[in-house]
Amino acid sequence: SQQGEEDPQALSIQEGENATMNCSYKTSINNLQWYRQNSGRGLVHLILIRSNEREKHSGRLRVTLDTSKKSSSLLITASRAADTASYFCATVPASSYKLIFGSGTRLLVRP
Amino acid sequence: DGGITQSPKYLFRKEGQNVTLSCEQNLNHDAMYWYRQDPGQGLRLIYYSQIVNDFQKGDIAEGYSVSREKKESFPLTVTSAQKNPTAFYLCASSIVFDRPDGETQYFGPGTRLLVL
Repeated sequence: SQQGEEDPQALSIQEGENATMNCSYKTSINNLQWYRQNSGRGLVHLILIRSNEREKHSGRLRVTLDTSKKSSSLLITASRAADTASYFCATVPASSYKLIFGSGTRLLVRP
Repeated sequence: DGGITQSPKYLFRKEGQNVTLSCEQNLNHDAMYWYRQDPGQGLRLIYYSQIVNDFQKGDIAEGYSVSREKKESFPLTVTSAQKNPTAFYLCASSIVFDRPDGETQYFGPGTRLLVL
């Protein structure tokens, strides 16, 4: 069963704008991860945030985690056309070590 | 050049036929995984292996089989019992399976399976 649900399902922005994607989940987690997938390709790990962390940064990426609301957000600042991809959140439930993926947000960055 | 390779990139299956998807990694990772992705959907876990000669069913194992005879190889067989095999199949690996503070998975480029 799906643990994480991303919102929105699709997002279209202009190059240079910021993109924000949200992920909600249902059960307690050990950590939450964000992955990127270019069309027809494999997934690439972006960032991992543990349950005792509230915010992490990596380059133009900023991830927040609110365990009280069971939600996370991924912010991509100063977006580029090359950021066009699908973005997935994946949770690791507290009772398991397996990744459970959401259905993803499709991001289109228009040049 | 380290990484995960999957072959073939495209695979066609006839009715009643078993087909095998290859996954090889040279990252020296203990754990390996197979996922299925349907159009516009997230990934669902088929099988995973924590260590050589060991594997467990994931959420959608019916109609699939795997083996883990070597650390670097984790082939997936789609059997004739899988009635709706058309999907994108992704193999992944991680250093270990059960690191308490979290483990990153590394993915191969995928195999697209189509039914003739």
